[in-house]
Amino acid sequence: NAGVTQTPKFQVLKTGQSMTLQCAQDMNHEYMSWYRQDPGMGLRLIHYSVGAGITDQGEVPNGYNVSRSTTEDFPLRLLSAAPSQTSVYFCASSYSRVSYNEQFFGPGTRLTVL
Amino acid sequence: RKEVEQDPGPFNVPEGATVAFNCTYSNSASQSFFWYRQDCRKEPKLLMSVYSSGNEDGRFTAQLNRASQYISLLIRDSKLSDSATYLCAVALIKNSGGSNYKLTFGKGTLLTVNP
Repeated sequence: NAGVTQTPKFQVLKTGQSMTLQCAQDMNHEYMSWYRQDPGMGLRLIHYSVGAGITDQGEVPNGYNVSRSTTEDFPLRLLSAAPSQTSVYFCASSYSRVSYNEQFFGPGTRLTVL
Repeated sequence: RKEVEQDPGPFNVPEGATVAFNCTYSNSASQSFFWYRQDCRKEPKLLMSVYSSGNEDGRFTAQLNRASQYISLLIRDSKLSDSATYLCAVALIKNSGGSNYKLTFGKGTLLTVNP
């Protein structure tokens, strides 16, 4: 199993550009989520999904869209990038919808918005 | 009050020391609790879940105090390899069936163990 994979590893955008951060898992996990991590701010939940076709907002959803058309994939779309979205983005997945399962994280995408 | 708050740190301790981290949470309905470890420029990884009765894994002991709404992590006999950021995480169930939850992390506490 590859686990949770994220692409790209690094990305530089100009203000106003759009892009999609890819996340995939091959563990048949129901629960997937996106976090951003900024210095001094910890991990903040952007969006999450408890299964295909179901998504919900986290703590900092503005400026980001998600969809979950398959169990395996959970892309994060930045509609119009802003410098405030410069961050490290982590995707995570968990076996089931119950809250006591371990979250497995991808290696992260380091995004810089100029 | 933030949903999850951690000791800000950083902690610098000598090898062999005992170090404790605390984390408080604001919502008394929170259901599940965890400690994650994150090495520099790496992804977080689960260190241990925290159970109501407390639990131990080698040199690591986690405890939960529901009445005071905090969790703790104790590391005994610190090793150089324990140097990392330690993140607490708290899950809040969002529906009565328990099938929708939100996992919130603290900001993390950086531990450096010195030789």
